[in-house]
Amino acid sequence: AQSVAQPEDQVNVAEGNPLTVKCTYSVSGNPYLFWYVQYPNRGLQFLLKYITGDNLVKGSYGFEAEFNKSQTSFHLKKPSALVSDSALYFCAVASGNTPLVFGKGTRLSVIA
Amino acid sequence: EAGVAQSPRYKIIEKRQSVAFWCNPISGHATLYWYQQILGQGPKFLIKFQNNGVVDDSQLPKDRFSAERLKGVDSTLKIQPAKLEDSAVYLCASTSVGQPNSPLHFGNGTRLTVT
Repeated sequence: AQSVAQPEDQVNVAEGNPLTVKCTYSVSGNPYLFWYVQYPNRGLQFLLKYITGDNLVKGSYGFEAEFNKSQTSFHLKKPSALVSDSALYFCAVASGNTPLVFGKGTRLSVIA
Repeated sequence: EAGVAQSPRYKIIEKRQSVAFWCNPISGHATLYWYQQILGQGPKFLIKFQNNGVVDDSQLPKDRFSAERLKGVDSTLKIQPAKLEDSAVYLCASTSVGQPNSPLHFGNGTRLTVT
């Protein structure tokens, strides 16, 4: 069975500093990896995905993520954090025809 | 384009009552999903439709949950009878193709409180 681990419940970062939100996964077969963001009282919004190809994928709002097959990781990164990036971030994985499985989420707080 | 619409936004019921949630996907999206998000957890898959047919309902607790998408557009998720542990946000999502590598477009969800 596939699974996603987000080891940090909360990440705090100062505005302008780089941020990283960690994600590791377990799946049989080739993974399809996603990051979604959730703002209060809103649904999830797609940020970026890795399907195949270049290990570094770029997404919305300046976010990027690096696929590392040997470490089974897909960490979300941004070079310079904004206060408006404060939200709940979810990593998710699918494989073959399996439905998307989400991690428990990491709350990002960017402090001015 | 208009997003995924869900209603109601909030619902409070007593245990053992029934409740229904409605979802209207993005126009032209053939694939529709329902997810359950309990507070402090990530969304959990419940059911997937392709047009008006069920593709995967392996995670749906069928003793109390049911869902339909009769005309291949709108969908309804029902719980009967509700339990306290059903308190959660119910998210509907859609995508134009049913491939696992396609991003999902989520609605704002229906927050259910069972007392």
